[in-house]
Amino acid sequence: QQQVKQSPQSLIVQKGGISIINCAYENTAFDYFPWYQQFPGKGPALLIAIRPDVSEKKEGRFTISFNKSAKQFSLHIMDSQPGDSATYFCAARTGSYQLTFGKGTKLSVIP
Amino acid sequence: EAGVAQSPRYKIIEKRQSVAFWCNPISGHATLYWYQQILGQGPKLLIQFQNNGVVDDSQLPKDRFSAERLKGVDSTLKIQPAKLEDSAVYLCASRRVQGREEKLFFGSGTQLSVL
Repeated sequence: QQQVKQSPQSLIVQKGGISIINCAYENTAFDYFPWYQQFPGKGPALLIAIRPDVSEKKEGRFTISFNKSAKQFSLHIMDSQPGDSATYFCAARTGSYQLTFGKGTKLSVIP
Repeated sequence: EAGVAQSPRYKIIEKRQSVAFWCNPISGHATLYWYQQILGQGPKLLIQFQNNGVVDDSQLPKDRFSAERLKGVDSTLKIQPAKLEDSAVYLCASRRVQGREEKLFFGSGTQLSVL
């Protein structure tokens, strides 16, 4: 049972463009929504996270938008750079501090 | 701070053989997780430890997988006997909580190939 649905599966963006990755969830018990970035051969690394009492969080070029009523959240990468090329995972956490991950989005930023 | 250490980095075995993975979390992190990441998918939780106790192992295939964290620090994950579908990257993570901020730190994983 996939509890966090992520799209698109892959994404190609021009350098300087905006990358947008979307996630949807069903379990209303989720209370924390992080995004992880993973480079080949490495473990995932926390990029940015949001709690459902906030509709938007921005850190540098990365922004999470959160829509509690629609049970959706998205990652926006502004001014995308080739160094941003990686696989991005959304995740959702229950109060027992367990993360459920989406299937991932492979982002390629082309010069 | 030093990261989560995992070994070995790669392991190739034949089906029905056994294999063990080791993880040393970041010093002071009480919560440790093992995740399985199949190629092209997100990590899937196998087991969660709090110090040396198991918090949740509901998704661990207990007929073949076992894990322990005897002294509440490093941990081992074992598969016996391995199946072809166990081919995956096994990730260890530890958790830091500071106020409302929490962060999972992942190791680089052990890539297992079962032939």
